[in-house]
Amino acid sequence: DTEVTQTPKHLVMGMTNKKSLKCEQHMGHRAMYWYKQKAKKPPELMFVYSYEKLSINESVPSRFSPECPNSSLLNLHLHALQPEDSALYLCASSHGQDTGELFFGEGSRLTVL
Amino acid sequence: GENVEQHPSTLSVQEGDSAVIKCTYSDSASNYFPWYKQELGKRPQLIIDIRSNVGEKKDQRIAVTLNKTAKHFSLHITETQPEDSAVYFCAASSGGGADGLTFGKGTHLIIQP
Repeated sequence: DTEVTQTPKHLVMGMTNKKSLKCEQHMGHRAMYWYKQKAKKPPELMFVYSYEKLSINESVPSRFSPECPNSSLLNLHLHALQPEDSALYLCASSHGQDTGELFFGEGSRLTVL
Repeated sequence: GENVEQHPSTLSVQEGDSAVIKCTYSDSASNYFPWYKQELGKRPQLIIDIRSNVGEKKDQRIAVTLNKTAKHFSLHITETQPEDSAVYFCAASSGGGADGLTFGKGTHLIIQP
């Protein structure tokens, strides 16, 4: 299995809602990432988990809350988002430990009304 | 932090011609330089990568060159085909990729039939 699976593929939420994005990989990768991508822009790093511990938080607002329940799963909890948070949220994984290739999921397209 | 500049933003070439995309990076500690291809509505996919201990790498019609002194790396695609049309992102990382990637702004490559 060489896939990173993200659910849901599409999500529409209001500014007062609480929702979660989920990501799963079964490649034995020990590093997992959340990226945000706006239209016609590059992916922007949000969070890095290494061996299930949060190692990098790129000054992301607290309305985004990551969670890594185990080495195969990564969640992004969303609360009180703003319309400008509408974007494609990409999960990725890598072997970690200086092995570079990132494997991206198909993304969750989020619309905040 | 790392800053990656990418040029040009749009590149149109005739089918069969070569295409060259250039990137510069700012952090001399960066040691991993991948290139990703992203087709419309799809996830970024790694097409080639290079590490700082190598000056050039080839994979069929695709090659990447790295000049560490100038902090400059380039993607070369020869004998371009219609399916090469996509957005290409260069990226850089100082942790071999495990710390996440900083992407350039992207190049929209258009292959004219």
